[in-house]
Amino acid sequence: DAKTTQPPSMDCAEGRAANLPCNHSTISGNEYVYWYRQIHSQGPQYIIHGLKNNETNEMASLIITEDRKSSTLILPHATLRDTAVYYCIVRSDTSGTYKYIFGTGTRLKVLA
Amino acid sequence: KAGVTQTPRYLIKTRGQQVTLSCSPISGHRSVSWYQQTPGQGLQFLFEYFSETQRNKGNFPGRFSGRQFSNSRSEMNVSTLELGDSALYLCASRIHEGEKLFFGSGTQLSVL
Repeated sequence: DAKTTQPPSMDCAEGRAANLPCNHSTISGNEYVYWYRQIHSQGPQYIIHGLKNNETNEMASLIITEDRKSSTLILPHATLRDTAVYYCIVRSDTSGTYKYIFGTGTRLKVLA
Repeated sequence: KAGVTQTPRYLIKTRGQQVTLSCSPISGHRSVSWYQQTPGQGLQFLFEYFSETQRNKGNFPGRFSGRQFSNSRSEMNVSTLELGDSALYLCASRIHEGEKLFFGSGTQLSVL
């Protein structure tokens, strides 16, 4: 199963873009990259996912490198409510069943 | 549409006891998976059920078991509780294979 590596913590000023990196150098060709975030005492919340193309939705943008060995989640205008632990996940496909492998996450603190 | 519902929210047990946790998925979702979250190990996959069949299993001892009912509701059982079983147990549902996970708020289990 592909494993992800993320920095343990990051700070970002409110209103600025938050760029959260993730390394997944062992990812296979058909494995998707997912991002979730977890605010204290709640379950993880889906943000975005992608395979090889860059993706954007109302919450964030996902930039995946051409070799797919790393990706960056971008929160374009971080707010205090974006303070959370962000997980980069590779969805593995084993014999037609899917498993989501969570890394240790990045604790993002948005500063006023 | 109601989200994923987990009961109870908090639970206190003593070593050697057994516990059953409940998860009601989002209506129409047929897949339910369970995760254990601890400060030291992070989010770890326990197992996944789809249409009452276990489709995937993580690396946990046989004391951890689960089942899914015909209405897609799922239960997780832990027998002979150990102190190390203290954790937040999260349930997630999805419509079918490959779709994003929707998490509940979890059951916080404390083993004394």
